[in-house]
Amino acid sequence: LAKTTQPISMDSYEGQEVNITCSHNNIATNDYITWYQQFPSQGPRFIIQGYKTKVTNEVASLFIPADRKSSTLSLPRVSLSDTAVYYCLVGPADSGYALNFGKGTSLLVTP
Amino acid sequence: GAVVSQHPSRVICKSGTSVKIECRSLDFQATTMFWYRQFPKQSLMLMATSNEGSKATYEQGVEKDKFLINHASLTLSTLTVTSAHPEDSSFYICSARDPVQISSYNSPLHFGNGTRLTVT
Repeated sequence: LAKTTQPISMDSYEGQEVNITCSHNNIATNDYITWYQQFPSQGPRFIIQGYKTKVTNEVASLFIPADRKSSTLSLPRVSLSDTAVYYCLVGPADSGYALNFGKGTSLLVTP
Repeated sequence: GAVVSQHPSRVICKSGTSVKIECRSLDFQATTMFWYRQFPKQSLMLMATSNEGSKATYEQGVEKDKFLINHASLTLSTLTVTSAHPEDSSFYICSARDPVQISSYNSPLHFGNGTRLTVT
């Protein structure tokens, strides 16, 4: 499975846009890119998934360049409740494949 | 959306006893479920893949005789920590994909809320 690299931590103020970039240089053709959010003592929560270009949903946007060797999760106007660990995962979208978690990015949002 | 439920959410047991954790897919059938373990301040680590009707597949370094996995139905997988010791204290999380979503190429892993195991 493709290995991912993310910043260990990021800080932001409320109301700002936060962009977290993930590197996945050895991504395979059939791999998707998925981002999860995890609060302490809770299971990871799905945020967004994409294969190429741009994907947007009600909580975030995901930007994927043409070479797919990296991706950027964009959180618009973060609030204190967005303080969490964010994981970028890369792997096939198939029932038989688990996803291996990297270290994730610990985002701290302050007033 | 697809929901994965775990029970119990937290359990405390004495060293040497066994603990069973249940993972249920509430609105979809999962032929495969995944069990993860997370120690404090660390990331999730895949322990094993649970397959309905067949033996589980364990990751390297995970003792299959200590972490018994049973996937007897398409909506239930159980993880039993046998003869638990304090070093088994951790946060255990299960996950699964909705096969209906897979067909539409939108098949994220759905995670349960985890089980906090404390062995005293």
